[in-house]
Amino acid sequence: GQQLNQSPQSMFIQEGEDVSMNCTSSSIFNTWLWYKQEPGEGPVLLIALYKAGELTSNGRLTAQFGITRKDSFLNISASIPSDVGIYFCAGQPYGRNTGNQFYFGTGTSLTVIP
Amino acid sequence: DGGITQSPKYLFRKEGQNVTLSCEQNLNHDAMYWYRQDPGQGLRLIYYSQIVNDFQKGDIAEGYSVSREKKESFPLTVTSAQKNPTAFYLCASSWVSNQPQHFGDGTRLSIL
Repeated sequence: GQQLNQSPQSMFIQEGEDVSMNCTSSSIFNTWLWYKQEPGEGPVLLIALYKAGELTSNGRLTAQFGITRKDSFLNISASIPSDVGIYFCAGQPYGRNTGNQFYFGTGTSLTVIP
Repeated sequence: DGGITQSPKYLFRKEGQNVTLSCEQNLNHDAMYWYRQDPGQGLRLIYYSQIVNDFQKGDIAEGYSVSREKKESFPLTVTSAQKNPTAFYLCASSWVSNQPQHFGDGTRLSIL
């Protein structure tokens, strides 16, 4: 299957700091998604991106669809303790024979220190 | 409230047993999915269904089986052929297969 490289693997930050994480693929994607997962729960969709260069915000979260179509970025501004969780990227490759399958990154674990 | 319900939350399996995980959605979504999540790894696709009475294997289908007899239900059976079944299993659904997926809260399966 497709490989999505998500970095960093983990982050420990002070409350109030900004956070940046990214996801890269080896092939072109036509959709990028960002999810947040809290312990013992399922991932919750944060932002969906559909066009190269697209920049979309959801409150303090902003995500961008990279212009190469092989990467995406998620930023969280002014982090708060409830931002703690694992953030996953997911992407859908471009092409007819992909079965419309989404592939997931390995996640970025975020810890916010009050 | 519309959503995806997975049950049970925790499940224990004895060696050699088959177990079935339930997934029900009331979102009227056509597409449904099963993923496996292991610590430190991303979600891996087991099976997916784009429409009732049809399903396809994902990347790690061996040792699993599914059925899709009703639009709202997509149960997953973990068979005795799955030698390493301990994991967190997530069910998801979407309007159609190229739309963002929404997830249930998962079932954690452990071996006794």
